[in-house]
Amino acid sequence: EADIYQTPRYLVIGTGKKITLECSQTMGHDKMYWYQQDPGMELHLIHYSYGVNSTEKGDLSSESTVSRIRTEHFPLTLESARPSHTSQYLCASSVLAGGVQETQYFGPGTRLLVL
Amino acid sequence: AQKITQTQPGMFVQEKEAVTLDCTYDTSDQSYGLFWYKQPSSGEMIFLIYQGSYDEQNATEGRYSLNFQKARKSANLVISASQLGDSAMYFCAMRESISNFGNEKLTFGTGTRLTIIP
Repeated sequence: EADIYQTPRYLVIGTGKKITLECSQTMGHDKMYWYQQDPGMELHLIHYSYGVNSTEKGDLSSESTVSRIRTEHFPLTLESARPSHTSQYLCASSVLAGGVQETQYFGPGTRLLVL
Repeated sequence: AQKITQTQPGMFVQEKEAVTLDCTYDTSDQSYGLFWYKQPSSGEMIFLIYQGSYDEQNATEGRYSLNFQKARKSANLVISASQLGDSAMYFCAMRESISNFGNEKLTFGTGTRLTIIP
């Protein structure tokens, strides 16, 4: 059972606002990820981190930024939200679980609607 | 090029029947991993089952099993004795390395929406 949390679960906000999506995990996992998912579509990696003070961009270009000051915390920030940012954002973390298996466990997601 | 292909956008299955969800993949790596996740309407991604490329036996987890055919590059999910609670989107994913620090990303297929009919 994974313990990874995301807040808020739902957010409706106006264009131009700054928002931060929170993600935290209590499992001590070094690796954390942010994915973006449009309704009914596949997930795309937008950011990842392999430890404190490390962040990298993923495959899908995103105007969001992330930080990793503490192992357990990986927030995502949009400086100026736009309607094109409307999507679901899923946070995940992982640890090597013996051999080569590394399972990513996901949080419940944040559904963002920008008006 | 699409690396994970799920050809069934939607499936309807009678309760208590078995169901097979198809997944084919493309990779040139010798070492890779395949995952299946379930996503209910609430949105969270629930890990179901994992198959490593070197695993000789098909993975099983309760009612879930993975029919791994390496030569065909397929990793189909089999759900036995389906239940109403199995209705959800199901995503196949493949693990790929993305950094020298051991980070790995998951590349997802487009998913299959499974509906269990009472």
